[in-house]
Amino acid sequence: NAGVMQNPRHLVRRRGQEARLRCSPMKGHSHVYWYRQLPEEGLKFMVYLQKENIIDESGMPKERFSAEFPKEGPSILRIQQVVRGDSAAYFCASSGALETQYFGPGTRLLVL
Amino acid sequence: GIQVEQSPPDLILQEGANSTLRCNFSDSVNNLQWFHQNPWGQLINLFYIPSGTKQNGRLSATTVATERYSLLYISSSQTTDSGVYFCADDSGGGADGLTFGKGTHLIIQP
Repeated sequence: NAGVMQNPRHLVRRRGQEARLRCSPMKGHSHVYWYRQLPEEGLKFMVYLQKENIIDESGMPKERFSAEFPKEGPSILRIQQVVRGDSAAYFCASSGALETQYFGPGTRLLVL
Repeated sequence: GIQVEQSPPDLILQEGANSTLRCNFSDSVNNLQWFHQNPWGQLINLFYIPSGTKQNGRLSATTVATERYSLLYISSSQTTDSGVYFCADDSGGGADGLTFGKGTHLIIQP
């Protein structure tokens, strides 16, 4: 029973490049959440998606960030024109009907 | 939205000691969860506990929803218990994003 999968686990980008983070939810889960964790801080909610729908993106920066969860394939968090302040750990979580969220191992993004 | 306060922020204990971590909420508890983030950064689910008491080995948790707090108990601490413990809850009304506390940083010394 595979858990939430994220890739890549580590990503290095230069300022101005694009970062694409992928998340495959647990089998049977239809809710996906993205969180960001800055160094020495707690996790901050970014966006909540269901298949082909963004349900709540209240925590997502208005510019450069976008998320999708297509009918087929993983959920993708995309950061365009990355800046140093985007360096963080990005976690994906998934849940089913019971609403317990299970977290993936995270993607550590480093912007040089 | 809901606000989550955790205490203490830091805790250093000797192996074998017991500890109690607390989480206070500004609003009614909905889908409270406790997590352990190990030194490698992985987030591990400990408890889903919107109310009542649960136990899993040396760990147990109690949520008093009417008073808006939850407690995590760790007994007979081991060095592998080190890491950051987070509690989190959502605002209710369905499967919302979680609001996390700032965590309790626990160090267990041999």
